[in-house]
Amino acid sequence: AQSVTQPDIHITVSEGASLELRCNYSYGATPYLFWYVQSPGQGLQLLLKYFSGDTLVQGIKGFEAEFKRSQSSFNLRKPSVHWSDAAEYFCAVLIQSGNTPLVFGKGTRLSVIA
Amino acid sequence: DAGITQSPRYKITETGRQVTLMCHQTWSHSYMFWYRQDLGHGLRLIYYSAAADITDKGEVPDGYVVSRSKTENFPLTLESATRSQTSVYFCASATGELPQHFGDGTRLSIL
Repeated sequence: AQSVTQPDIHITVSEGASLELRCNYSYGATPYLFWYVQSPGQGLQLLLKYFSGDTLVQGIKGFEAEFKRSQSSFNLRKPSVHWSDAAEYFCAVLIQSGNTPLVFGKGTRLSVIA
Repeated sequence: DAGITQSPRYKITETGRQVTLMCHQTWSHSYMFWYRQDLGHGLRLIYYSAAADITDKGEVPDGYVVSRSKTENFPLTLESATRSQTSVYFCASATGELPQHFGDGTRLSIL
């Protein structure tokens, strides 16, 4: 079955430390890939997207993600986490263009400690 | 300002009642979506619409009804609310290959 997996339900990192959030998908073709962030009590905000081309994509707030076809992964990274990055992060895929509905992972909650 | 607006932001109702959640977007996006967000499940698609008068079921459509008489509006109705429908509901819109834009959500509690 087609799916999006975020293996980590909750991650805690120290402020200033590096961060990597994992995302794996299982589709036959290369999908369009997205990372969203949700702060408490708010809607989702797009961090970055991958459609094609360079497999390392830059997003807002200092985030980047790397698409690895061989591993069916699209992991989100940030070199130095800030306390304001504490939020829920969702990986999502579109399996074809034309905006068929996004399929979301179940999310990873990020906590940041001093 | 252009955007996507959900109303109400918070709603408390009783089982068996009918409740309608509103979603309005000002971009004239052709696609609109309703998701529910529950702990441990992430976001699950309830219904979506590719254009006015065209709607399709998502992953969890049971107990919900939608309509799309105008491009800018996509209301979601719970015809007879149940406790299992207590959730946070998000509306989204999209066009072409652009990612979806989300509203701020409606927190619905059913007692």
